[in-house]
Amino acid sequence: GQQLNQSPQSMFIQEGEDVSMNCTSSSIFNTWLWYKQDPGEGPVLLIALYKAGELTSNGRLTAQFGITRKDSFLNISASIPSDVGIYFCAGQPPGAGSYQLTFGKGTKLSVIP
Amino acid sequence: DSGVTQTPKHLITATGQRVTLRCSPRSGDLSVYWYQQSLDQGLQFLIQYYNGEERAKGNILERFSAQQFPDLHSELNLSSLELGDSALYFCASSPWLTYGYTFGSGTRLTVV
Repeated sequence: GQQLNQSPQSMFIQEGEDVSMNCTSSSIFNTWLWYKQDPGEGPVLLIALYKAGELTSNGRLTAQFGITRKDSFLNISASIPSDVGIYFCAGQPPGAGSYQLTFGKGTKLSVIP
Repeated sequence: DSGVTQTPKHLITATGQRVTLRCSPRSGDLSVYWYQQSLDQGLQFLIQYYNGEERAKGNILERFSAQQFPDLHSELNLSSLELGDSALYFCASSPWLTYGYTFGSGTRLTVV
């Protein structure tokens, strides 16, 4: 089936630093979404992207839908301790039907105060 | 609190047993999705219901089944449980057919 490759798998950064993570696929996706999961909780939707080239911000978060439709990135500016968690990209591959999503394996972010 | 309620939060059961996981969607949400999260496979889509009808099936085993009731709550039934079924099971809901799901906190199933 379709797979999403997220990188890096984990990262340690100092508070205040900017963060960048990305997601790639060998095939095109129609929609890209970014979720964050805190320990013991379900994923929370951060940003949704619906068109190739789309750049969307949500506070300190910015995400882009790649022109080739095979990648997306998420940037976090001026990181703070509450940014700690696992960030997942997700997308809907063509022909998947309905609104099921394929998720990446996640990027675990640790912020050092 | 996301508004999506899943019970129980934790479940420990033996191999070969059957369990039922329950999900109450957010008020007004018609669509319910079930996902399985394991360490090696990540989040995998299982099944989707919309207003009581099955809309899409993903990587759901034949030993698993689900339904959505008239009051819109949903149940995921897992039978003949195996050690490999140990995972977090998430329910998500949305008002209509959209990608903007709201996830519950999950049920952690441990099969021993």
